Amino acid sequence: QKEVEQNSGPLSVPEGAIASLNCTYSDRGSQSFFWYRQYSGKSPELIMFIYSNGDKEDGRFTAQLNKASQYVSLLIRDSQPSDSATYLCAVGESSGYNKLIFGAGTRLAVHP
Amino acid sequence: EAEVAQSPRYKITEKSQAVAFWCDPISGHATLYWYRQILGQGPELLVQFQDESVVDDSQLPKDRFSAERLKGVDSTLKIQPAELGDSAMYLCASSITGTGSTDTQYFGPGTRLTVL
Repeated sequence: QKEVEQNSGPLSVPEGAIASLNCTYSDRGSQSFFWYRQYSGKSPELIMFIYSNGDKEDGRFTAQLNKASQYVSLLIRDSQPSDSATYLCAVGESSGYNKLIFGAGTRLAVHP
Repeated sequence: EAEVAQSPRYKITEKSQAVAFWCDPISGHATLYWYRQILGQGPELLVQFQDESVVDDSQLPKDRFSAERLKGVDSTLKIQPAELGDSAMYLCASSITGTGSTDTQYFGPGTRLTVL
């Protein structure tokens, strides 16, 4: 059974701080990795994707990938109260048609 | 900006009744996905269509769930009969090709199902 593990949280950070969200996965052949943000009662919204080892930056968000360690992370700089949500890590399965395996998500709370 | 459309947004039903959900993917997207998300968990794929063909329904409870995408555009997911454990958010997503590691899935607003 291919798995994606995330700390459920809540991760509490003060406004303006850096929030660090982590994810590990079991499918060593996975090539695509996604971070989705989900507000309570809403559907997942794509934040970033990363395919290559290293860092990828988009505004206040940085995704980091280490395939050797099977580890993905998301850094949110200058955290805002509006960033408070659940962050879902999704990993593309190495076999089949672009199937995504989701983690259970990490709840982030940014307090003023 | 193009979006995935779903209806209804909320559905309350009694157990043993039939329910149906509808999804219209982003125009031009060949691949359509139905997910179920139980509160506190991540989305779980129920069924994936490539155009009008099912390419993955390994997690679909086929004794009570069915899905179709007859013309390769919009899709319907049906549950008959509904059980208490079916209470969840049902999410539809679409992507351009469904193949290759760079294909990105975009989600609709979801249907919140409550079974009483």
